[in-house]
Amino acid sequence: DQQVKQNSPSLSVQEGRISILNCDYTNSMFDYFLWYKKYPAEGPTFLISISSIKDKNEDGRFTVFLNKSAKHLSLHIVPSQPGDSAVYFCAARASNTDKLIFGTGTRLQVFP
Amino acid sequence: NAGVTQTPKFQVLKTGQSMTLQCAQDMNHNSMYWYRQDPGMGLRLIYYSASEGTTDKGEVPNGYNVSRLNKREFSLRLESAAPSQTSVYFCASTQHGAAYNSPLHFGNGTRLTVT
Repeated sequence: DQQVKQNSPSLSVQEGRISILNCDYTNSMFDYFLWYKKYPAEGPTFLISISSIKDKNEDGRFTVFLNKSAKHLSLHIVPSQPGDSAVYFCAARASNTDKLIFGTGTRLQVFP
Repeated sequence: NAGVTQTPKFQVLKTGQSMTLQCAQDMNHNSMYWYRQDPGMGLRLIYYSASEGTTDKGEVPNGYNVSRLNKREFSLRLESAAPSQTSVYFCASTQHGAAYNSPLHFGNGTRLTVT
């Protein structure tokens, strides 16, 4: 039972345009969400997070939006750069637990 | 600053063999985690240790054991390897645990093949 789902396995975007990566979750107890970025042969690295008390968090070119009623979050990257090409994982944590549950990942390719 | 170090980087086992994956962190973090990554499945939590002396099961603990040797080290053992355990294994750590909204820091992974 996949509690965190990323339904698009891949996404291709032109350099300079916006990349939108989506994530859906089923557990209403999740209250903290994160995005990680992963390059080949490396471990995932933390990108940005959002608490359930907010609906938006911005850090430079990266913005995460949270729609709690729809149990949906998205990561916007603008403008997209070739160095953003990687696999992106969303992750979620239920309140007062130490378990961080990851989605299946979306491979983003930014082409010139 | 090494961060999270995993050894070995690659390993090939025959079905039924045993091995231990090692993980050490030098960030004085309290919590440590083991994940496996499989195509189409994302990262799945195997075991975690919220603090030294404690361990808990994650999403897919069957076939694995863990030891939190001390604050720095968290090992993952496969007693009798099976082909279904072919995967990339990642160790991670965080200061206060995911319950405190602190992001995980990952190692670079161990690629394990069981034939």
